[in-house]
Amino acid sequence: EILMTQSPATLSVSPGERGILSCRASQSVGSSLAWYQQKPGQAPRLLIYDASTRATGIPARFSGSGSGTEFSLTIDSLQSEDFVVYYCLQYNKWPDTFGQGTKLEIK
Amino acid sequence: EVQLLESGGGLVRPGGSLRLSCAASGFTFSGFAMSWVRQAPGKGLEWVSTVSYSGGSTYFADSVKGRFTISRDNSKNILFLQMNSLRAEDTAVYYCARRIGYVGAFDYWGQGAPVTVSS
Repeated sequence: EILMTQSPATLSVSPGERGILSCRASQSVGSSLAWYQQKPGQAPRLLIYDASTRATGIPARFSGSGSGTEFSLTIDSLQSEDFVVYYCLQYNKWPDTFGQGTKLEIK
Repeated sequence: EVQLLESGGGLVRPGGSLRLSCAASGFTFSGFAMSWVRQAPGKGLEWVSTVSYSGGSTYFADSVKGRFTISRDNSKNILFLQMNSLRAEDTAVYYCARRIGYVGAFDYWGQGAPVTVSS
């Protein structure tokens, strides 16, 4: 099983600033990496897939990068609704595995 | 508009069974692999199972293998998860999700069906 490790567990950033979230895989997953945003009481929402492709309707201030074992999600000009939890997911090898999540909080 | 609507969740005793359903609309259901993902209270996301377009291939997490069965009815656009021999650690919100391609990311999710296993 591929272990996905997200860092930091909690990221404190001021509104309007940039936030960078990281995800590391225990072995290469190529570009088979997605990022999800989850608001309290809601289902996850796909932000990025194939490491860097924005999903339909996702603002351009969300961007993904990386390949192999190191990935990042960058959120520019943070808005109040962005301060929630984010998960990465690898789907390169069964079983699909998620990171433990990063909580983005207001500094 | 893509919509996924789960039903069938509830309270069940340890060792019991439950069947979840997910009604799909707004897309060609038979053209997509489908999955179940769960989230225990206050915890992260865990992939549970995936079924291929036709239903001919199925995949399970080790934690549910041999106890859960996934199936689909492409004539009625419904995804199922049959859960047997339920344990307390199966308590979670269960989401159905559509996959991009055969083994891609989950692009659309249902609102979730809560399952509580408790005596």
